[in-house]
Amino acid sequence: IQMTQSPSTLSASVGDRVTITCRASQSISGWLAWYQQKPGKAPKLLIYQASVLQGGVPSRFSGSGYGTEYTLTIDSLQPDDFATYYCQQYNVRWTFGQGTKVEIK
Amino acid sequence: EAQMVQSGGGLVQPGGSLRLSCDSSEITLSVYWMSWVRQAPGKGLEWVASIKYDESEKYLVDSVKGRFTISRDNAKNSVSLQMTRLRVEDTAVYYCAKIGRSEGFENWGQGTLVIVSS
Repeated sequence: IQMTQSPSTLSASVGDRVTITCRASQSISGWLAWYQQKPGKAPKLLIYQASVLQGGVPSRFSGSGYGTEYTLTIDSLQPDDFATYYCQQYNVRWTFGQGTKVEIK
Repeated sequence: EAQMVQSGGGLVQPGGSLRLSCDSSEITLSVYWMSWVRQAPGKGLEWVASIKYDESEKYLVDSVKGRFTISRDNAKNSVSLQMTRLRVEDTAVYYCAKIGRSEGFENWGQGTLVIVSS
């Protein structure tokens, strides 16, 4: 299963609402996770099962979608949110998207 | 956040072998699926291998089949990735990760750099 994220890079300002899209090459039935990674650090799980927030993750993060189309939304972007975000399917084995870098505008 | 500690890695010539290990004094790894994920310099994440808690299922990405082996020693609370016939394109930071009950990769090791170069 191939995972395609868009955009690859996103320029935004603090306080903006940001949306990242992830498309699967076939239905993954909601078996999708989102991760945040900062330079030199291991990724951090944000959301699983497409929309369930991992414990300790701020509520400004949300996920939605089913089938082949999924989105990660960050409401009111904070300075700590500038990072690279990856989607991952786990319906059949595991595959990551290519990543979306959220940078300061 | 509970920690997993990785060891191994380093510089190796093409065709050589390395063994990566991952253990934890804080998490009982033996009850979880475990995985290895790699990240080539400046690139994205790539899933490499996963193993079920009882070793009854193991999966590898196609590009490493026949060269890498994932295993675990539940008595030692550890997971390993044996890498043989290494190629330049295997150069990456390798992370171990615990697959939690969420089925997401909930906990990660600190990462270890593998450089394949002559």
